[in-house]
Amino acid sequence: DADVTQTPRNRITKTGKRIMLECSQTKGHDRMYWYRQDPGLGLRLIYYSFDVKDINKGEISDGYSVSRQAQAKFSLSLESAIPNQTALYFCATSDSRGRGETQYFGPGTRLLVL
Amino acid sequence: SQKIEQNSEALNIQEGKTATLTCNYTNYSPAYLQWYRQDPGRGPVFLLLIRENEKEKRKERLKVTFDTTLKQSLFHITASQPADSATYLCALDTGGFKTIFGAGTRLFVKA
Repeated sequence: DADVTQTPRNRITKTGKRIMLECSQTKGHDRMYWYRQDPGLGLRLIYYSFDVKDINKGEISDGYSVSRQAQAKFSLSLESAIPNQTALYFCATSDSRGRGETQYFGPGTRLLVL
Repeated sequence: SQKIEQNSEALNIQEGKTATLTCNYTNYSPAYLQWYRQDPGRGPVFLLLIRENEKEKRKERLKVTFDTTLKQSLFHITASQPADSATYLCALDTGGFKTIFGAGTRLFVKA
């Protein structure tokens, strides 16, 4: 969905490096999410934010941090990347005014940690 | 523990037939259930939402059923086409607007 963009789309990094994945949205939604997807495991929630001042841990937040710089921007950081963080990362948004159930996903960032 | 199960084996069907995908869950009482489509290398795209008080929902060639007694949802694509080939994810509400996703079932429609 072009309304939710992620940068970079692909990234190769080395163990121990700090990296940041960025997400921007033009949908005007207040809620934003970061997921990772691994084969056979489906999407797992890393962090979510229901507004700029609200940040919450998901089921697999260890090793990750986030920043909600504005309503439209939500970034995910890996402070010291490790190989088992190799995955496909998705940002998503939803709108609480519309009951907030449906999520709109970005195109994903494919991350490889060597 | 809470669990969502979708058939991990790919479903292969012939064009024109009806594809039926299954989503089973345990230890949830979701207020609603959603189905998403995901193409390789792309983000999931929302298809349908069905609430706990609805037995069936339709949208064009898509139909979803929701049986809260069996804790199961069935997703049907009628008159399937090769363009329907994708992975289909089921997703459940866990309360507080948090959603849990299944691992998905891959569908291949052969011409």
